[in-house]
Amino acid sequence: GAVVSQHPSRVICKSGTSVKIECRSLDFQATTMFWYRQFPKQSLMLMATSNEGSKATYEQGVEKDKFLINHASLTLSTLTVTSAHPEDSSFYICSGARPRETQYFGPGTRLLVL
Amino acid sequence: TQLLEQSPQFLSIQEGENLTVYCNSSSVFSSLQWYRQEPGEGPVLLVTVVTGGEVKKLKRLTFQFGDARKDSSLHITAAQPGDTGLYLCAGYSNSGYALNFGKGTSLLVTP
Repeated sequence: GAVVSQHPSRVICKSGTSVKIECRSLDFQATTMFWYRQFPKQSLMLMATSNEGSKATYEQGVEKDKFLINHASLTLSTLTVTSAHPEDSSFYICSGARPRETQYFGPGTRLLVL
Repeated sequence: TQLLEQSPQFLSIQEGENLTVYCNSSSVFSSLQWYRQEPGEGPVLLVTVVTGGEVKKLKRLTFQFGDARKDSSLHITAAQPGDTGLYLCAGYSNSGYALNFGKGTSLLVTP
């Protein structure tokens, strides 16, 4: 199956700083990448959908200026959490997909904001 | 938003027991997927069901898609500790791109 990686796997930062998370499709070209957030003991909630070379589409309630998404190539998407606060602490998961095909999920990034 | 309701939310059983997890919606889905997620990891796709009434088997796991394509079930026979994890059902939204996830069923199988 297709492989998606995320970096870093976990990150701890101070409140007010920005954190960048990378999502890479290792053996396929992901025309669409998705970013999810998962709080403890809860399900995955879609944050945004991005297509290569286009602006991301954000779900209702997700601040686009706080969660900056860049999908500059078919194998890399980045999520930057700007001015992070403790309530942004969560498990962030990305997935990549080719057109009309299954999404392949990354291993997730654990963010802890102190 | 097409909501998916999963039940039960939590399940703790002993090794060797059987169990069934349900995924229900008032909406029709072109397909439903089942994932298993272990703590600190991303979800892993187990199966995709597409046809109403379809039954798929994956070793001790049996997946069924309802005739009306609004619900699905996952049955595990003779559960083992390795089956422990969060089981999620998901269906594609009307746009066909985004996945809507159920809230998940957290399964604990004790030896």
